[in-house]
Amino acid sequence: EDQVTQSPEALRLQEGESSSLNCSYTVSGLRGLFWYRQDPGKGPEFLFTLYSAGEEKEKERLKATLTKKESFLHITAPKPEDSATYLCAVQTNSGNTPLVFGKGTRLSVIA
Amino acid sequence: NAGVMQNPRHLVRRRGQEARLRCSPMKGHSHVYWYRQLPEEGLKFMVYLQKENIIDESGMPKERFSAEFPKEGPSILRIQQVVRGDSAAYFCASSPRAGINEQFFGPGTRLTVL
Repeated sequence: EDQVTQSPEALRLQEGESSSLNCSYTVSGLRGLFWYRQDPGKGPEFLFTLYSAGEEKEKERLKATLTKKESFLHITAPKPEDSATYLCAVQTNSGNTPLVFGKGTRLSVIA
Repeated sequence: NAGVMQNPRHLVRRRGQEARLRCSPMKGHSHVYWYRQLPEEGLKFMVYLQKENIIDESGMPKERFSAEFPKEGPSILRIQQVVRGDSAAYFCASSPRAGINEQFFGPGTRLTVL
C-alpha cells in the first residue's frame, strides 16, 4: 500500500529561524511528488512538483528537494505569513492519477 | 482565469437528508477529482471523473455516495441519507489532462450533519 508520512506534525519557529519539513514515502513507483500549502478554512494551494531524485525547486523562502525515499521542504528565514499546514502528496505509477496525501505539518512562525 | 469553484461553501444537513456538492473546474480542465478531509486526517481520494465518465471510484464508499460530471455543467458529488460520520470538508480538484500533472484545488465544501 502506498504511504506518505510527514514529520513533524507541528513545528513552531521564531521569525527568521530556518528549518526543514520532511515527507517520506513508500510507493510502488513514483511519478511525481507534490507540495501544497493549506491555510485554515481554505483549499490546498499548489507549490511544487518534483519528478526525480536530485531535483530541487525554489519559490521565495521555500526550497523543495527529492531523494529516492523522501522529500524536504526547506524554509529559509520564515515570516509569520508562512504559517500554514504544508501537505505532501505522491502520484504513483499504479492505477490512475489520484494523489496520496500525508497528514501535513502545521507550521507556526512567531514574530 | 477563475480557479476551481465549489458551492455551497458550507452545508448543514440533518441525518437522513441528501447533500449535493458542486464543482466547476478551471477553464480548459476536463479532469475532476474529489477528496475528503476529516479533522486531523489527511486528504483522502474519493473519485476521479472526466466529462461523462467515471475513471476511478476506488475511494468512494459503495453505498449512499455517487458522483457525476455531465457534458454540460458542474461535477456533482451526491451523498444520500447522510450520517454524522459524513461531516467533513470535501474538496474538488481539476487538471487539464491525466498523467503527471498538478491538480488545482477549490476552496472546499464543509458539510455538517446534525
